[in-house]
Amino acid sequence: EVQLVQSGAEVKKPGESLRISCKGSEYTFTSSWFGWVRQMPGKGLEWMGIIYPDDSDTEYSPSFEGQVTISADKATSTAYLQWSSLKASDSAMYYCVRRAGTYRQYYFDYWGQGTLVTVSS
Amino acid sequence: QSVLTQPPSVSGAPGQRVTISCTGSGSNFGATSDVHWYQQLPGTAPKLLISFNTVRPSGVPDRFSGSKSGTSASLAITGLQAEDEADYYCQSYDSSLNGFFVFGTGTKVTVL
Repeated sequence: EVQLVQSGAEVKKPGESLRISCKGSEYTFTSSWFGWVRQMPGKGLEWMGIIYPDDSDTEYSPSFEGQVTISADKATSTAYLQWSSLKASDSAMYYCVRRAGTYRQYYFDYWGQGTLVTVSS
Repeated sequence: QSVLTQPPSVSGAPGQRVTISCTGSGSNFGATSDVHWYQQLPGTAPKLLISFNTVRPSGVPDRFSGSKSGTSASLAITGLQAEDEADYYCQSYDSSLNGFFVFGTGTKVTVL
């Protein structure tokens, strides 16, 4: 079964940088797209972007483009979500997901356990 | 940009049937857009519940069912159980040139 194991909770100050990770099952990592979904406290789900680890092709939601960087290391089957300068409004739970589906009818079939990011001075 | 609207909450007694609607708007959400559903139990990550409008993944009880007609989709839970108390989200894919994933606004199901 596919497993997505995310890095642990983080507490950071505004202006600091951060990279969180998501390690996938090796046998599926380079043949699937992986993405990130944000859930702010008490709020709904927001898609941030996705990456194809085999060639690092990346697509971003317009709401998050320029705000975060998504990357992947296929040698370690790990996807990353990175901020260069955190804001308090980045405080949220972040989920790693695997994309499934058919052409332009996509969904997320596997979810990581979530990484809680808290940004506070 | 497409928007998927759900009722904020629905409730029912154990054993009852409840339905959650998911209504699309925007020029890029049409009759050909499939809808998928996720269940998020309290304090846990979301889990895929229904794909392609009606398909239940292995392990999902058959009391959960989905349907779609035109630009509206529904999730039904029959024989409601206490363990079904959770948040439910619909999701579709905006098939415009810059396609992206759209989530519904979410529905809290309360078992009375």
